[in-house]
Amino acid sequence: GESVGLHLPTLSVQEGDNSIINCAYSNSASDYFIWYKQESGKGPQFIIDIRSNMDKRQGQRVTVLLNKTVKHLSLQIAATQPGDSAVYFCAEMIYNQGGKLIFGQGTELSVKP
Amino acid sequence: NAGVTQTPKFQVLKTGQSMTLQCAQDMNHNSMYWYRQDPGMGLRLIYYSASEGTTDKGEVPNGYNVSRLNKREFSLRLESAAPSQTSVYFCASSENNAGRGYTFGSGTRLTVV
Repeated sequence: GESVGLHLPTLSVQEGDNSIINCAYSNSASDYFIWYKQESGKGPQFIIDIRSNMDKRQGQRVTVLLNKTVKHLSLQIAATQPGDSAVYFCAEMIYNQGGKLIFGQGTELSVKP
Repeated sequence: NAGVTQTPKFQVLKTGQSMTLQCAQDMNHNSMYWYRQDPGMGLRLIYYSASEGTTDKGEVPNGYNVSRLNKREFSLRLESAAPSQTSVYFCASSENNAGRGYTFGSGTRLTVV
């Protein structure tokens, strides 16, 4: 039969507030993690990455935290803006498996002006 | 402009028809990938090509075939389309084992009726 589309988890924040998007990854052997932003009708765009030997990495307005003990990744966006509204995906990679990325389900971020 | 180009952008097929989705990149990347994205879900890897001359199955390869025609081009073929293959298809390319370097195309929206 036909598959039914799932509803993405949604996070709604006020403009100017900080946003935290969470992700549970699946493989404890993953070496590398990336956050992508996907706007409607477009392909995913790279935001920030982190290697498994790190637990925190900061970019411009974004921070990624990695907790390997519980296989958890988070993306923090400071001073969220309307242009940040999109679907955010985490992805994991094992380097010696052809560089292929495995994506999580995604979280829809909605920023209210 | 440098990037990943996918054709066509939209396609409607009848069940049982065949078609080939084209992908080309001009960044001299070694690795290329095909993903599908269903409503409310993350991207799932169909096939990938770690380097010219090699192809490997991803998470959901059934019903698809691929050809790495040369370093630039990686095509995805549906031999006998089924409604379950209705999806948005994304091609991506990267330097070897470099998630930061993944560049995605803008996608092909395929509907099978």
